[in-house]
Amino acid sequence: QVQLQESGPGLVKPSQTLSLTCTVSDGSISSGTYYWSWIRQPAGKGLEWIGHIYSSGSTNYNPSLKSRVTISLDTSENQFSLKLSSVTAADTAVYYCTRAPNFYGYQDYWGQGTLVTVSS
Amino acid sequence: DIVMTQSPDSLAMSLGERATINCKSSQSVLYSSNNKSFLAWYQQKPGQPPKLLIYWASTRESGVPDRFSGSGSGTDFTLTISSLQAEDVAVYYCQQYYDTPYTFGQGTKLEIK
Repeated sequence: QVQLQESGPGLVKPSQTLSLTCTVSDGSISSGTYYWSWIRQPAGKGLEWIGHIYSSGSTNYNPSLKSRVTISLDTSENQFSLKLSSVTAADTAVYYCTRAPNFYGYQDYWGQGTLVTVSS
Repeated sequence: DIVMTQSPDSLAMSLGERATINCKSSQSVLYSSNNKSFLAWYQQKPGQPPKLLIYWASTRESGVPDRFSGSGSGTDFTLTISSLQAEDVAVYYCQQYYDTPYTFGQGTKLEIK
């Protein structure tokens, strides 16, 4: 079955860019009818959808983050990535990469999540 | 954005009891052309990612025990656990995927009394 694994720095300085990669195993991100998504969760709080990308490269972002977010695909590595610029402490959270099937928005597979702390 | 509101925020039930969690959306998430409500439920245990339980408001994900069921349509939804087991202790979230940005409820923490 599909497995997703996040990777990237656990500590980012304020005003810098957060960069995370999700490696997808046992399933090609360039085939099928899936949205590949990022969702985050501050400690002890709820879930926030950041955005998603389709295999064509088309993206959809949460308007609350749109000016700072870029999600991209690397089909050669079977990975997709998140970049969030100009981070502040409010961006400290566990970041999950997920898959949504059939162009619908429910998330059927999740990575284990990676904690990113924004601090100087 | 569609606002999702869950009730209660927390719930303590005894083993074997029926647990009910409610979710209300600020606008209908029913798509008239296919008569489906774009509503999902997730279970999150401590230190783990959320796990999909229910989609289309009432379709159980493969492998999810049949004691979990979802109901409702339009703006009002319910997740029911028919007979609470110890392993059901978790936080439960509803999510609408009718429109982007997809949004989640604030979560309901389920504990054993």
